[in-house]
Amino acid sequence: EPEVTQTPSHQVTQMGQEVILRCVPISNHLYFYWYRQILGQKVEFLVSFYNNEISEKSEIFDDQFSVERPDGSNFTLKIRSTKLEDSAMYFCASSGTVSAFFGQGTRLTVV
Amino acid sequence: RKEVEQDPGPFNVPEGATVAFNCTYSNSASQSFFWYRQDCRKEPKLLMSVYSSGNEDGRFTAQLNRASQYISLLIRDSKLSDSATYLCVVTLSGGYNKLIFGAGTRLAVHP
Repeated sequence: EPEVTQTPSHQVTQMGQEVILRCVPISNHLYFYWYRQILGQKVEFLVSFYNNEISEKSEIFDDQFSVERPDGSNFTLKIRSTKLEDSAMYFCASSGTVSAFFGQGTRLTVV
Repeated sequence: RKEVEQDPGPFNVPEGATVAFNCTYSNSASQSFFWYRQDCRKEPKLLMSVYSSGNEDGRFTAQLNRASQYISLLIRDSKLSDSATYLCVVTLSGGYNKLIFGAGTRLAVHP
């Protein structure tokens, strides 16, 4: 069964450092997303990506965040200068038509 | 008002019990509806889509009432393995399939 894969599974970084979270969406999907979940809180939408551009982004997705699809398979989320409050689980998802499938997530810890 | 509201629970039920979860959504333009399941510190996994006519998948039955903006999930004959957080999720029309999550209802099934 095709699946969304994310690397790394866990990343620890110092405040102010840049991090890149990587995702390989399901190959025939057209929509790609990043969500985050702070421990104990709900899953929050960050950004959607379609046709090689951002289609929608939330208030959380400020100038510190960027996404890229550098080749035909990878989809990355970059946080330029991490803050303590960026510590969360980051989920990549992809969808073909409607329902979305999630990767196993990257746990980002900012210290 | 929250976009998607759920009773946080927890619901503590014995094996074999029937349990029902409710969810309301605020935006009448919501287009698609889902129940996802999330195990502790894992990714959300699609449990089932929810259709206006109601739909069933084994022990799980989902109902949608568009007039009341209300979604439900019924689990019959609960198993220990059903213990998880159940997430009510909607998308908006024209929203590039962005998923809007409720905070989830926690279910604990005990022997």
